[in-house]
Amino acid sequence: QKEVEQDPGPLSVPEGAIVSLNCTYSNSAFQYFMWYRQYSRKGPELLMYTYSSGNKEDGRFTAQVDKSSKYISLFIRDSQPSDSATYLCAMIFTSGTYKYIFGTGTRLKVLA
Amino acid sequence: NAGVTQTPKFQVLKTGQSMTLQCAQDMNHNSMYWYRQDPGMGLRLIYYSASEGTTDKGEVPNGYNVSRLNKREFSLRLESAAPSQTSVYFCASSENRANTEAFFGQGTRLTVV
Repeated sequence: QKEVEQDPGPLSVPEGAIVSLNCTYSNSAFQYFMWYRQYSRKGPELLMYTYSSGNKEDGRFTAQVDKSSKYISLFIRDSQPSDSATYLCAMIFTSGTYKYIFGTGTRLKVLA
Repeated sequence: NAGVTQTPKFQVLKTGQSMTLQCAQDMNHNSMYWYRQDPGMGLRLIYYSASEGTTDKGEVPNGYNVSRLNKREFSLRLESAAPSQTSVYFCASSENRANTEAFFGQGTRLTVV
């Protein structure tokens, strides 16, 4: 079983839709949870990160962490064609052995 | 703002050939990383350098070597390329190993035939 599972998609939605992207993980030692966005033929770039459980909002993006369920989500409100990209979740823990693990990514296409 | 610069952007190698992928960052970061990205596998860590003068194996180090030339530069060498090393390679850097944000280069698309 992979430490981090992410549905690869592709996910196609109409412009203006609310998008929900999710990851599950198995290691309860993960402390920080990140979402990266990767445009085609580019490197990933960090969108936002959260520490422990709870919500964090940044403009149209909301990251949610539920440590009890080992489940994280990224919500995109009022999705735009420019949001079309692959979204990768990532997790880190630094206690003892260092680990920074990426999910496989979900490909999102927002249709105009 | 250069950030993380990788060279080359594309490369085709024959099986058994060697090559070095170059990476440089201008953000004065201590930690640097090499990843490979394959369909369905996500980003997998090959090697990392927590600070200048140190290097450590990641998840998939076999067939690769690295050199942390100085604080700015971190190179990845394939001594004898194999078709299984066909991938997109990303270099990344972060202020320190424990930092949540890693900054990525544009990637090198490598094909081994």
